[in-house]
Amino acid sequence: EPEVTQTPSHQVTQMGQEVILRCVPISNHLYFYWYRQILGQKVEFLVSFYNNEISEKSEIFDDQFSVERPDGSNFTLKIRSTKLEDSAMYFCASSGTLFTDTQYFGPGTRLTVL
Amino acid sequence: SQKIEQNSEALNIQEGKTATLTCNYTNYSPAYLQWYRQDPGRGPVFLLLIRENEKEKRKERLKVTFDTTLKQSLFHITASQPADSATYLCALPSRQLTFGSGTQLTVLP
Repeated sequence: EPEVTQTPSHQVTQMGQEVILRCVPISNHLYFYWYRQILGQKVEFLVSFYNNEISEKSEIFDDQFSVERPDGSNFTLKIRSTKLEDSAMYFCASSGTLFTDTQYFGPGTRLTVL
Repeated sequence: SQKIEQNSEALNIQEGKTATLTCNYTNYSPAYLQWYRQDPGRGPVFLLLIRENEKEKRKERLKVTFDTTLKQSLFHITASQPADSATYLCALPSRQLTFGSGTQLTVLP
């Protein structure tokens, strides 16, 4: 069964550094998402992406965040200058249609900002 | 503002019993509601979607009900097994998919 993959599984970085989290969505999906989950808290929506542009973003997704689909398979989340409070699990997801379809989540990247 | 509440943070039941989890919402008129399972350190896994015109949906040992008048969904696992132990999340669409905080289910052998 096709699945969403994410790399790396764990990223440790120093505060102020840039990080890029990578995702390979399911190949025939058109909608891509990033979520984050701070330890012990709920899964929070960050951004949705369709047709090479952002379709929705949450209040969390400020100017420090950006997303890109650099080629036909990868979908990336960049955090320009990491803060301690960015430490969380980051999940990528994809779906065939916007929200009204099953979203398939990747295994996540655990980001630790020191 | 829109709010999703799941009945309890943790629920312990004996193997073989039926687990019932509750999801209540306010200030929503969702066209559908989803349930996901999340294991520790893993991403959510989709289980079931129920639409507003469906009262009940089943998948193997899982049953979901959706009462748009009460603004509530119930999620049942019948003949529960220790392998069902996980956190179960309900999720509602608006301009984004919003998750509840989840109920951690432990099925005791």
